[in-house]
Amino acid sequence: DSGVTQTPKHLITATGQRVTLRCSPRSGDLSVYWYQQSLDQGLQFLIQYYNGEERAKGNILERFSAQQFPDLHSELNLSSLELGDSALYFCASSAGQGRSGNTIYFGEGSWLTVV
Amino acid sequence: LAKTTQPISMDSYEGQEVNITCSHNNIATNDYITWYQQFPSQGPRFIIQGYKTKVTNEVASLFIPADRKSSTLSLPRVSLSDTAVYYCLVGDGAAGNKLTFGGGTRVLVKP
Repeated sequence: DSGVTQTPKHLITATGQRVTLRCSPRSGDLSVYWYQQSLDQGLQFLIQYYNGEERAKGNILERFSAQQFPDLHSELNLSSLELGDSALYFCASSAGQGRSGNTIYFGEGSWLTVV
Repeated sequence: LAKTTQPISMDSYEGQEVNITCSHNNIATNDYITWYQQFPSQGPRFIIQGYKTKVTNEVASLFIPADRKSSTLSLPRVSLSDTAVYYCLVGDGAAGNKLTFGGGTRVLVKP
């Protein structure tokens, strides 16, 4: 158990809908990262937050947004969903801003299926 | 941002040692090298991290040459349960490093 909690574990929704994925980082961790992993694909970095502020942005679609709240949990919002958005979405956390030597720990992911 | 290159796949047999090399030619001075293991439909799991020379823990060893342009993850006496994808991650999170993973190495351990 990495200590990173993601909900829901599984989600099925229709095209055009909007969903919210939730992540609670490890106790004391200030950084949260979101990754997308499609079937048999690598981990695609989406976005990183540190203590409530956006720190880095990857190839995140404009239909996707995220935020980190004062209690450090984070939410990833996916809207106008398309079939191609079906994937595993991972949240990870680390103590700092992902600095050297700062290990990131992953949750077990939220499996999104768009039908 | 240091880009990493790993072999796509490797086959091995139970009880053998598996060595996976990751190339990161443009590694920066402050970058650390971290290896993760991922099973299907599970989150990547931290294996080992190092900066230079050799690091060893209860599951693996990490060898980093003096120029740090590559690193080798060594898994001693693998078992069937070591079948997984192994990722090498090199990064420095300062100023918003994107901590981008490479393609990973799919290791298949055969009986």
